[in-house]
Amino acid sequence: SQKIEQNSEALNIQEGKTATLTCNYTNYSPAYLQWYRQDPGRGPVFLLLIRENEKEKRKERLKVTFDTTLKQSLFHITASQPADSATYLCALSGAGSYQLTFGKGTKLSVIP
Amino acid sequence: ETGVTQTPRHLVMGMTNKKSLKCEQHLGHNAMYWYKQSAKKPLELMFVYNFKEQTENNSVPSRFSPECPNSSHLFLHLHTLQPEDSALYLCASSQLGGPVTDTQYFGPGTRLTVL
Repeated sequence: SQKIEQNSEALNIQEGKTATLTCNYTNYSPAYLQWYRQDPGRGPVFLLLIRENEKEKRKERLKVTFDTTLKQSLFHITASQPADSATYLCALSGAGSYQLTFGKGTKLSVIP
Repeated sequence: ETGVTQTPRHLVMGMTNKKSLKCEQHLGHNAMYWYKQSAKKPLELMFVYNFKEQTENNSVPSRFSPECPNSSHLFLHLHTLQPEDSALYLCASSQLGGPVTDTQYFGPGTRLTVL
């Protein structure tokens, strides 16, 4: 069956460092991979989308990579700040499908 | 109002009650979704509406009944719920066929507690 794993349930890093979150998937051929941010008691907010034929995408301090051979995406936040503390969700969708399958998320805590 | 709104934000109900959750999107999107989010579990897609037509029902118990009267409004009618149905219920919308396919915009959610 299809499976999405975000390897760390929680990640603590020091302010100013680069946070790297991992999303792995099995039995899936996604056309798109997305990252969302979710704050406690709130709905997820879209951050970045990367297509299967793209290796890397950037937006300000955020960078996403997508390796369809390894079946893995890495999400980086450079120069992390306490305001980046949140849960980050990875989501996949297949070709021709508009439905998303989400991972459980990684809770990031940036320590001042 | 902008984005996706949901009411109520919090709901406590007994197992014999009937209640409804409401979602409204102000983005001009043509697809709307209901998700359930329980602690330590990924978001579970419950229902999908595409141009007001229900296209998915992911094995959701009949005690949850969706309604989509138009492309801007979505309801989730609840009756005879169980305590394990307590969760955060999220509504989302997206524009199918748009330049950024599949990106979904979420509301703040309704925190439901079933006693």
